[in-house]
Amino acid sequence: AQKVTQAQTEISVVEKEDVTLDCVYETRDTTYYLFWYKQPPSGELVFLIRRNSFDEQNEISGRYSWNFQKSTSSFNFTITASQVVDSAVYFCALSEGGAGSYQLTFGKGTKLSVIP
Amino acid sequence: DSGVTQTPKHLITATGQRVTLRCSPRSGDLSVYWYQQSLDQGLQFLIQYYNGEERAKGNILERFSAQQFPDLHSELNLSSLELGDSALYFCASSIGAGEAPEEQYFGPGTRLTVT
Repeated sequence: AQKVTQAQTEISVVEKEDVTLDCVYETRDTTYYLFWYKQPPSGELVFLIRRNSFDEQNEISGRYSWNFQKSTSSFNFTITASQVVDSAVYFCALSEGGAGSYQLTFGKGTKLSVIP
Repeated sequence: DSGVTQTPKHLITATGQRVTLRCSPRSGDLSVYWYQQSLDQGLQFLIQYYNGEERAKGNILERFSAQQFPDLHSELNLSSLELGDSALYFCASSIGAGEAPEEQYFGPGTRLTVT
């Protein structure tokens, strides 16, 4: 069965600090996809990134970067020079796919508070 | 704005009642997913429809049912409601059941409160 663990329940940082959100996953499939979503205080879930299991290249998008390490089953998310607008709950998710059923299994989320 | 719409935004009802939540996917998306978010269970997948047909089922109670209509909008029906059904219900959509899991775009959610 697939599982996603986000061990950090809550993190607080001061504005402009860098912060890394950890995500560890479990799956028996060799082909799978990993996702990160952001849930700001307004409540909606915002898609951030999708990564497949065959692509271990790190990805950078502005102040956001992701580090995928298959050897440790981790897909960590780093925010550089954090801003107050980054305050949100961040969810890591896994999808194994197969026969067109692509439901997401989410971690419990990490609540990030960026203090001005 | 993700392009996924959900109505109503809030719903307050009593135990034992039945409610219907509605979702319109993004234009062109054929797959619709329903998720439940609660404090104790987190975000849980309920059910997926693709072009009108059920494609996958998750932890959906027998009291809950869903369907996707020819115009691709979807409805989630919750019956014999219990206090524990109080949660935020999200609908998400993606392009379709292609070769691989796609990014899902979420609606704003319907907050259900059962009293």
